[in-house]
Amino acid sequence: EVQLVESGGGLVQPGGSLRLSCAASGFTFSNYWMSWVRQAPGKGLEWVANIKQDGSEKYYVDPVKGRFTISRDNAKRSLFLQMNSLRAEDTAVYYCAHTSTAGRWAFFENWGQGTLVTVSS
Amino acid sequence: QSALTQPASVSGSPGQSITISCTGTSSDVGAYNSVSWYQQRPGKAPKLMIYDVSNRPSGVSNRFSGSKSGNTASLTISGLQAEDEADYYCSSYTNSVTLVFGPGTKVTVL
Repeated sequence: EVQLVESGGGLVQPGGSLRLSCAASGFTFSNYWMSWVRQAPGKGLEWVANIKQDGSEKYYVDPVKGRFTISRDNAKRSLFLQMNSLRAEDTAVYYCAHTSTAGRWAFFENWGQGTLVTVSS
Repeated sequence: QSALTQPASVSGSPGQSITISCTGTSSDVGAYNSVSWYQQRPGKAPKLMIYDVSNRPSGVSNRFSGSKSGNTASLTISGLQAEDEADYYCSSYTNSVTLVFGPGTKVTVL
């Protein structure tokens, strides 16, 4: 059974930093693209970033470019999101997500439970 | 990276069929057969209902179907049931190698 477990969320001041982690199990992590998707309280879903199997390609949504960095450690079956220069509008539940279809990344049948990031003074 | 357009709400009586539209542009929905639909219940993670316009993942009821015409994709729920009440989001791959979601549609079963 595929499991994605996020951690690292919390309360941070504007301008601060936070590093999210996603521990994966139940599938060969190194074979698949991985993504982060966020959802602000009471709002819709927003894709944030993704990373190729070997980390050689990474893509980001415009509002986080230059502030967020996605990375992965295939040996530890873990996905990360380093978030710097955080803003109030980054407040959201952050989900780790992936598809079990090899070579694809633009849809997600597997989601974590999410971790809440709150940016506030 | 503009969001896709969806109606804010759609409602129907049990047993009826409803359709949710998802309008994009020639840079996303119109350019690729990579439209997906998600169901999300309060406090839960999204659940994939349709991928690649019209494909259903294993375990998803055949009451859910998807289609696309031009820049607009659609999700149809037939034989509406109380358990279908939820928020529904569409998403599309874009020519910027990114993914864009719609704002979501609240489905109410009357």
